[in-house]
Amino acid sequence: QVQLQESGPGLVKPSETLSLTCAVSGYSISSGYYWGWIRQPPGKGLEWIGSIYHSGSTYYNPSLKSRVTISVDTSKNQFSLKLSSVTAADTAVYYCARDLTAAMVNDYWGQGTLVTVSS
Amino acid sequence: QSALTQPASVSGSPGQSITISCTGTSSDVGSYNLVSWYQQHPGKAPKLMIYEGSKRPSGVSNRFSGSKSGNTASLTISGLQAEDEADYYCCSYAGSSTPDVVFGGGTKLTVL
Repeated sequence: QVQLQESGPGLVKPSETLSLTCAVSGYSISSGYYWGWIRQPPGKGLEWIGSIYHSGSTYYNPSLKSRVTISVDTSKNQFSLKLSSVTAADTAVYYCARDLTAAMVNDYWGQGTLVTVSS
Repeated sequence: QSALTQPASVSGSPGQSITISCTGTSSDVGSYNLVSWYQQHPGKAPKLMIYEGSKRPSGVSNRFSGSKSGNTASLTISGLQAEDEADYYCCSYAGSSTPDVVFGGGTKLTVL
């Protein structure tokens, strides 16, 4: 059974960089598929952040592209998200997921982690 | 404001059928057969219900079906059950020159 688990600080100061890691078990990232990040502000809808192919190719939401970096570490079977220059608008539950096609066909998800941006 | 338009809420009685619409443009829904639908219960991660417009992942009930006409995709749930009460989100691939995925604002389904 494929499982994903997000980890990282739950509180980030404005203007700093948000960093999250998604550990994958039950499937080797190097075997294929895309691996993505999605967020959901409290009480609001979903927003695609971006995804990375197992080979390292990345795809980002154009509205966030200047601030987002997604990377993969196949040796640790995990992938990571960095979002720079955060503001209160970046406060959200952040989900990682396996994406079958890079078009949001996410069959396995982490449970999500709330990141609050506040001083 | 979301790129795709969904009704804020729909409701139905147990056993009935409901349809949730998802309206986009010729740059997203209308151009690609890459619409997915997600079900989200409170405090839980979204669950994939439909992908590529009308395909059901293994394990998803055949009471859920998807379709598309022009720039509008639809999710139909037949034989409504209490556990279907949840938020439903559509999303579509929207990349032309650069990859992009857009979401609808979500629809709250209430089973009366």
